[in-house]
Parts: sequence; structure tokens; C-alpha cells
Amino acid sequence: GEDVEQSLFLSVREGDSSVINCTYTDSSSTYLYWYKQEPGAGLQLLTYIFSNMDMKQDQRLTVLLNKKDKHLSLRIADTQTGDSAIYFCAESDSNDYKLSFGAGTTVTVRA
Amino acid sequence: NAGVTQTPKFRVLKTGQSMTLLCAQDMNHEYMYWYRQDPGMGLRLIHYSVGEGTTAKGEVPDGYNVSRLKKQNFLLGLESAAPSQTSVYFCASTEGGTLAKNIQYFGAGTRLSVL
Repeated sequence: GEDVEQSLFLSVREGDSSVINCTYTDSSSTYLYWYKQEPGAGLQLLTYIFSNMDMKQDQRLTVLLNKKDKHLSLRIADTQTGDSAIYFCAESDSNDYKLSFGAGTTVTVRA
Repeated sequence: NAGVTQTPKFRVLKTGQSMTLLCAQDMNHEYMYWYRQDPGMGLRLIHYSVGEGTTAKGEVPDGYNVSRLKKQNFLLGLESAAPSQTSVYFCASTEGGTLAKNIQYFGAGTRLSVL
């Protein structure tokens, strides 16, 4: 599969903003995704962005895409304790039926 | 609305034993996937299926077999379990129809330990 890379850990204070970064290598990526995994659970889709967009906002979530640098970020405003989870970046292209996932960023929210 | 259901949720096996993990989805999705999740490695695709009666190998297929006899079910088999197969296994499904927008829905996972 194509390479998708993320930093492994992020610690943030409650109420602050969190920014999770991701880089990918596949220039034919068409959609990029952010999934959230809470402890002991499966992955849930948080948001996604089409490759011809550079920003998408959904309530507290802002996704930024820099297609030239193949860089994707997820900003969570006013981070809450319920945001503590593992966040996965993933990409798909129009050539096959598979997603490529990053290793996941564990976000810990401290009081 | 159950979505994607995996059974069992937990299992402990001895080396050499066999077992089957069941995934069932009630969304009439065409495509189904089996992943394993290991610390620091994210999700790795084991096998997948693009429709009833079809299967294909993913990134890490060795030691596993799959079957998709019914559209709603995708079975993952371990014929002779090894300690290296200790992992959390996730099933996922997606609607299909367009290759580009591949939003996958995940089950809650099966935690497997092989001693």
C-alpha cells in the first residue's frame, strides 16, 4: 500500500486546540479521511475531504489539505476529555478498493 | 441498526488451534475487509472482498483464509494459529459503486491471543 505517516502521540490541555498531522505519498489520492478510535472500540469516520478541496470545516473539526506537499491536518477546537482517542489518517485513490491507513496518533487530553 | 457485527469479541487460542471469525453487515454493502491492528503499525489489510463469492489478498494474507458465501457475511479463518497472530482484528464494509469515495464502516473488533 501507499505510505501514510503520522506522529504517534499528542498531549493537549483541555480547552486548547489539537492539531494532528499526516503526510502521504500517493499523488493519485482522491479522498482523505480521518477516523477516530476510542478505547476498546472500532474505528469511526470523523470527516473526509476530496482532493480538490483545501479546507473543510465541521463544527469543532477543521481539515486542511496541502496537495502540493501531500500534507493533511486535523484541528480540533476546544479539545475535551471525550476527544482522547487514537486518530487515523487514511487515503484512497480511484484505482482500487482499498484504504491506506497511517499508524494512528494517540491524543491524550489532560485537565 | 446493527451496522457491522463481529463475533466473537475475545478469544484465547493455543498455538496450532484453528478458529473462524465472523463478520456480518446489514447495510447491503458490496465490499468487505479484514484488518489486523498492532501497536504502532496502524491497520494492515489481510484480505478483502468486492462482492459475494469473491476474495482477494491484502497486505498481510499469510496464515489466513477468507470466504464470502453470502453478501452480508465475511469469514476470516486461522487454520493453525501462531503467537504472531495475536492481534486485534477488525472487519469493515463499504457501499461500493464508486472506487474513489471509500467510506468504510467498522465492527467493534475481535481481540485474539495465541499462547
